[in-house]
Amino acid sequence: DQQVKQNSPSLSVQEGRISILNCDYTNSMFDYFLWYKKYPAEGPTFLISISSIKDKNEDGRFTVFLNKSAKHLSLHIVPSQPGDSAVYFCAASAYPGNQFYFGTGTSLTVIP
Amino acid sequence: DTGVSQNPRHKITKRGQNVTFRCDPISEHNRLYWYRQTLGQGPEFLTYFQNEAQLEKSRLLSDRFSAERPKGSFSTLEIQRTEQGDSAMYLCASSLGPMGELFFGEGSRLTVL
Repeated sequence: DQQVKQNSPSLSVQEGRISILNCDYTNSMFDYFLWYKKYPAEGPTFLISISSIKDKNEDGRFTVFLNKSAKHLSLHIVPSQPGDSAVYFCAASAYPGNQFYFGTGTSLTVIP
Repeated sequence: DTGVSQNPRHKITKRGQNVTFRCDPISEHNRLYWYRQTLGQGPEFLTYFQNEAQLEKSRLLSDRFSAERPKGSFSTLEIQRTEQGDSAMYLCASSLGPMGELFFGEGSRLTVL
């Protein structure tokens, strides 16, 4: 069963605009969430995280929002740059964090 | 280099052969994870170690798969009697404690002919 879902396989955005990537989860025990970025032929690279005690976390151009009641999180990238073109995965874990569950990814293309 | 290192990066083998992958985690990280990723899917959990102890294994990890982490340092993942369905990217990650983010290696791609 897919406990973490990314329902949009792909997204295209103009350079300079906002990219919004969405993620839904089903397990109410999840309390720690991560976003990863992956280029072809490379391993995933950690971007940003959020714990369930927060509803927002920012790091430069990246902001993650968490809506616990809706079991939904989103990653905002502002402004989007061509170098942001990659596959983005969200991941979730329940303390004490024996494993992380990953979504299927969203492929972001930022058009110059 | 302080990142997670995996080798070989790519392994091509014939069905029925055994293969072994190695992962060197970030030195101060006590947790080490193995994940598998196939095309169009996210990473799927296989197993993880806390120091040298293997604490959890996914049901995806059949008895043909075995993982070790002697002395709590590097880890190996062996697949015996490989099948074409084993073709995937095998990812290793390490973390500092249960709530630390995972740092991934570049992966080892297995192709079973």
